[in-house]
Amino acid sequence: DAKTTQPNSMESNEEEPVHLPCNHSTISGTDYIHWYRQLPSQGPEYVIHGLTSNVNNRMASLAIAEDRKSSTLILHRATLRDAAVYYCILRDKGTYKYIFGTGTRLKVLA
Amino acid sequence: GAGVSQSPRYKVAKRGQDVALRCDPISGHVSLFWYQQALGQGPEFLTYFQNEAQLDKSGLPSDRFFAERPEGSVSTLKIQRTQQEDSAVYLCASSHSGGTLEQFFGPGTRLTVL
Repeated sequence: DAKTTQPNSMESNEEEPVHLPCNHSTISGTDYIHWYRQLPSQGPEYVIHGLTSNVNNRMASLAIAEDRKSSTLILHRATLRDAAVYYCILRDKGTYKYIFGTGTRLKVLA
Repeated sequence: GAGVSQSPRYKVAKRGQDVALRCDPISGHVSLFWYQQALGQGPEFLTYFQNEAQLDKSGLPSDRFFAERPEGSVSTLKIQRTQQEDSAVYLCASSHSGGTLEQFFGPGTRLTVL
């Protein structure tokens, strides 16, 4: 199975940037890196995805290492509403199986 | 509404009962996924449909689990002879495509087996 490794938890102060790391050393050349987040008692929601180049959208930025074995999700200014579990996800090669892992629980301090 | 809906939102079953969980995906979405999320864990893939075809069922934990999407829209996940370890939140997601496109998740069905 494709595997990602993330810290169990992180804390950030409100209005400050947050860098959420993910290791995916088994990634293959054609695998996209996906990030979702899950607020309490809700289904996951899409944040961003990328292949090789860094990506930006209205929610976040995704920085992908040159060897693609790691990536970092960047929230530019954390708000209390960003408190959630963030998942870095790969798709198992040749299947439709997306591997979520245990994610990083982000706590935002007021 | 325009999002993915699931019903029931909560289900309590006695061990040994059969249950059926329903997913209404976003209209026009080709792809549909089912996931199981145990307490404190990330979602785990169960199965994938492209229209009415079940293309991947590698995540179904046993032959007690069965999913269908007969007309390529609504899907049902059925669990026969429920056991306590089946207690979890069952999430459904849909997307335009099974590739890299965004999956839209429903709120889930919380199943408790007593």
